Amino acid sequence: KNEVEQSPQNLTAQEGEFITINCSYSVGISALHWLQQHPGGGIVSLFMLSSGKKKHGRLIATINIQEKHSSLHITASHPRDSAVYICAVTSWGSQGNLIFGKGTKLSVKP
Amino acid sequence: EAGVVQSPRYKIIEKKQPVAFWCNPISGHNTLYWYRQNLGQGPELLIRYENEEAVDDSQLPKDRFSAERLKGVDSTLKIQPAELGDSAVYLCASSLEGAYNEQFFGPGTRLTVL
Repeated sequence: KNEVEQSPQNLTAQEGEFITINCSYSVGISALHWLQQHPGGGIVSLFMLSSGKKKHGRLIATINIQEKHSSLHITASHPRDSAVYICAVTSWGSQGNLIFGKGTKLSVKP
Repeated sequence: EAGVVQSPRYKIIEKKQPVAFWCNPISGHNTLYWYRQNLGQGPELLIRYENEEAVDDSQLPKDRFSAERLKGVDSTLKIQPAELGDSAVYLCASSLEGAYNEQFFGPGTRLTVL
């Protein structure tokens, strides 16, 4: 079983829809990261959080440490949001290295 | 400020050939990571450097992979000889010193081994 699980694996939405991507993890963590990867490979860090909630523009990330669960929300989705969204954790047992989920491929149709 | 620079962006080689990837991290970032990402998977750490010291290379296939960061700045990852299964995207990332800081990723090198 992977230490970081994401759902769904693939998601197709219409422009304007509210989107939620979920991440569950099974290890003790110091931080959780949400990353965005566009076709071509480059990865951009969206959020790094260890508790509560963070907001940046139309993106919102939440984490529940007790339930070992995080969600990434996108409000008023747009075709340019189409990308792979990756959840990763920094666990106490990994010497600070990131443990990645497999990613959620999001496609937003106009 | 320039981000993490990687070259080449794409490389196609035949199996058994050698290949090398280069990474220049963000200025001032002492920690450098090399990852391999297979299609449909998340990145997997190959090696992590703190300055010029490789502090975690437990996942690096040492029979064919090697890496160096001689002056604690830019780094090279080499595969010799390449195998079909090495086809993947090779990502470099850097962060301020220590593994608990935010990582900044380069654009990656897409390797295809024929």
